[in-house]
Formats: sequence, C-alpha cells, structure tokens
Amino acid sequence: DVKVTQSSRYLVKRTGEKVFLECVQDMDHENMFWYRQDPGLGLRLIYFSYDVKMKEKGDIPEGYSVSREKKERFSLILESASTNQTSMYLCASSLPTGGGSGYTFGSGTRLTVV
Amino acid sequence: AQRVTQPEKLLSVFKGAPVELKCNYSYSGSPELFWYVQYSRQRLQLLLRHISRESIKGFTADLNKGETSFHLKKPFAQEEDSAMYYCALRGSSYKLIFGSGTRLLVRP
Repeated sequence: DVKVTQSSRYLVKRTGEKVFLECVQDMDHENMFWYRQDPGLGLRLIYFSYDVKMKEKGDIPEGYSVSREKKERFSLILESASTNQTSMYLCASSLPTGGGSGYTFGSGTRLTVV
Repeated sequence: AQRVTQPEKLLSVFKGAPVELKCNYSYSGSPELFWYVQYSRQRLQLLLRHISRESIKGFTADLNKGETSFHLKKPFAQEEDSAMYYCALRGSSYKLIFGSGTRLLVRP
C-alpha cells in the first residue's frame, strides 16, 4: 500500500559530500515536494515540481537542487553537505490544486552530516 | 504573506478530557486548510480538510474566516491520539504552508 517511497530511512554523510535523496511515487501525481522537518520549525518547503523537468524554489532552497526527469521520481541533491543540513527530509506528492486534495508523504529520510 | 501559526508546542491532557489544538492563519483570499498528524514512527498523514467538513477519529475542525482560525477539536481524548499535529494552508499556488506543529500528549 506504500505510495511514496524514499530510498533511504537513515543516511550519514560527511561535510562537503554530494548527497542524493530519492523519492518515487506510484500514484501518477503531477506535483511533488521536498520538505525538511525540524523540531520547533515544522515543515519548511525546499523545492517543488508541478511537472516533469519543471521545478520551483520553496522557502529554503539554498544549498539544495532538484531533478525531475520522470513523472514518478523527484530527487533532492545537496551539492556540498553541511552540518546545518542535518535534518529529517520528507517527500510528498499530490494531484493538482483544487478539490481539497492533500499530500501523500513518504516515510522520511533522516540525514546526519558529520 | 501566507502564514500558519500554532501557538502551542505541547498540549498535555488526561484521557477523556476535551482537546483543542489551535491554528491561526494569515491569507487574504479563500484558503484551503488541512490538519495532518504524525504518530510515533509513522509517516505524516492527512487527518482532515476543511472543504469536506468531515469528522475523522472523533476530530473536527471548523474554518472561522472572521477569526482566521481552523482549530482542531475532540470532545474526549484517547491515549492513541498522542501524536504531532500540523495545521497547513494552501493559497493560490500548489504548495502547502505548514505550522510549526503541536505535540499532543494524552495521559492515562
């Protein structure tokens, strides 16, 4: 019944490494999103995509990039990991807006940068 | 600017007591509002949305445009309601804006 899959549950990376977080959805959703979740800050939007090869910056895009080559896959890239990027990363997908459609979330990737 | 405020980081109640998790929003148009819940070691999931005016697991939420609020309520809390709750708003774009979350702890 899993609909949004994040490839790793836990990751430990070194400062300066390039990090790839992968997300796949099987619901044929147009929209996909990457958030980071931090205690006391809630969920903050990093990037989102409303179609293949389309992307838009969210509220905290600095230090991140994304790739969406296929409809079902949305990758988050940390170009040069830093310790302040240690966080829980959540991927989500949704239908286009309207009709009260909510998001379906993945189970998250907890990234630790040392 | 679009903004969601959840003033309480932690709400602790005893089993059987009423619960109200507060959510206020800032948006000039007609928003869509949602409540999401994350139980321990589970993924974040949609609890309810204002557009459907539904009751899920005994929870309800009414959109009050005058007070720009969307508080989540349950008359009798259960231990299994203990979780992290997020209020979220969608304005004119695709994205959801989330509040900082409230942890609900229901004590036996």
